[in-house]
Amino acid sequence: QKEVEQNSGPLSVPEGAIASLNCTYSDRGSQSFFWYRQYSGKSPELIMSIYSNGDKEDGRFTAQLNKASQYVSLLIRDSQPSDSATYLCAVNDGDYKLSFGAGTTVTVRA
Amino acid sequence: DAGVTQSPTHLIKTRGQQVTLRCSPKSGHDTVSWYQQALGQGPQFIFQYYEEEERQRGNFPDRFSGHQFPNYSSELNVNALLLGDSALYLCASSLPGLAKNIQYFGAGTRLSVL
Repeated sequence: QKEVEQNSGPLSVPEGAIASLNCTYSDRGSQSFFWYRQYSGKSPELIMSIYSNGDKEDGRFTAQLNKASQYVSLLIRDSQPSDSATYLCAVNDGDYKLSFGAGTTVTVRA
Repeated sequence: DAGVTQSPTHLIKTRGQQVTLRCSPKSGHDTVSWYQQALGQGPQFIFQYYEEEERQRGNFPDRFSGHQFPNYSSELNVNALLLGDSALYLCASSLPGLAKNIQYFGAGTRLSVL
């Protein structure tokens, strides 16, 4: 059973702070890693993809991948109330499907 | 550019009934995947269609079946509905081939089984 685990939430951060989200995966053959944001009652929206070890930055978001340790993380800098959502880590191990974690709910306090 | 569209938005059924959900992929995409998302959980892969055939299937019973049409749109059918089938059903489309290809999700169909 291929598993994706995310740090349990909810995570509450003050506005302007950094939110740090972690994800580990069990299948060492995993190739592609994604972070989706899901607002309550809505569908997942892709915010980051990462394929190689290291950091990838996009605006206020930074994804970090360490394949040796089998973890991927997401940092949200200068958190805004609009960042309040559930963040889903998804892993593609090459056989087409995405395996998702249960999600971490982030609340940004104004 | 139209994104992934799903219909209906909401659906209420009773136990034992059958349901059909529909999905049109993003323009230019020919691969459609279906996911089930129960409340408080991440989406679970049901199956994927490519070239009108089921290419891969997750751990779901045969009550769940699907179809892809020549225009790449897809249907998800669930027979003999159970209370536990109540969930958000998500359709995602992508380009074929590489695992790097991103899956884009539709707004989902909220199914309630009473």
